[in-house]
Amino acid sequence: GQQLNQSPQSMFIQEGEDVSMNCTSSSIFNTWLWYKQDPGEGPVLLIALYKAGELTSNGRLTAQFGITRKDSFLNISASIPSDVGIYFCAGPTTKTSYDKVIFGPGTSLSVIP
Amino acid sequence: DTGVSQDPRHKITKRGQNVTFRCDPISEHNRLYWYRQTLGQGPEFLTYFQNEAQLEKSRLLSDRFSAERPKGSFSTLEIQRTEQGDSAMYLCASSSRGSIYEQYFGPGTRLTVT
Repeated sequence: GQQLNQSPQSMFIQEGEDVSMNCTSSSIFNTWLWYKQDPGEGPVLLIALYKAGELTSNGRLTAQFGITRKDSFLNISASIPSDVGIYFCAGPTTKTSYDKVIFGPGTSLSVIP
Repeated sequence: DTGVSQDPRHKITKRGQNVTFRCDPISEHNRLYWYRQTLGQGPEFLTYFQNEAQLEKSRLLSDRFSAERPKGSFSTLEIQRTEQGDSAMYLCASSSRGSIYEQYFGPGTRLTVT
């Protein structure tokens, strides 16, 4: 079935550095979602993308909907300690009778002060 | 705060016991979802309601699992005869008619089966 892959699996960066992560699929997605999850909490929606090539920002976060519709990217500029967490990409699969959202395995971000 | 709420936040139970979790969605959201998340994984879809109708169930949802949303508002997820493999975080999310893919999650219920 449809599946999402995220890379890198984990990353350790210095505070103030920029971060890039991506999400890929072998299938086309018509919507991409990016979530952040803190330990012991539910995921929080960061950005939603609806159009191929779309670039959307939310503060220091910028996400892009890949032109091929098979990938999406999330960038974080000038990282701070509260950026620590797991970042998930997600999107609605077209393989079921309704638009079920599937999630990637996540990218774990650690920020070293 | 009118976000999604879940109760309890943590539940420890012995194998074979029944447990029930509650989810209160954002009030104007008509869609409600249940997910299960294990360590190191993304949330996995369990089931979905549109108003009070349960429209989709994952194959992950064995016969021991049942979910209800009787009045189209809050929902309950019950697990009967719990097994150690049921230990996980159970997440609830809701979305509105206008933005069905933008799901807003609750804080989750952490279940530990001993």
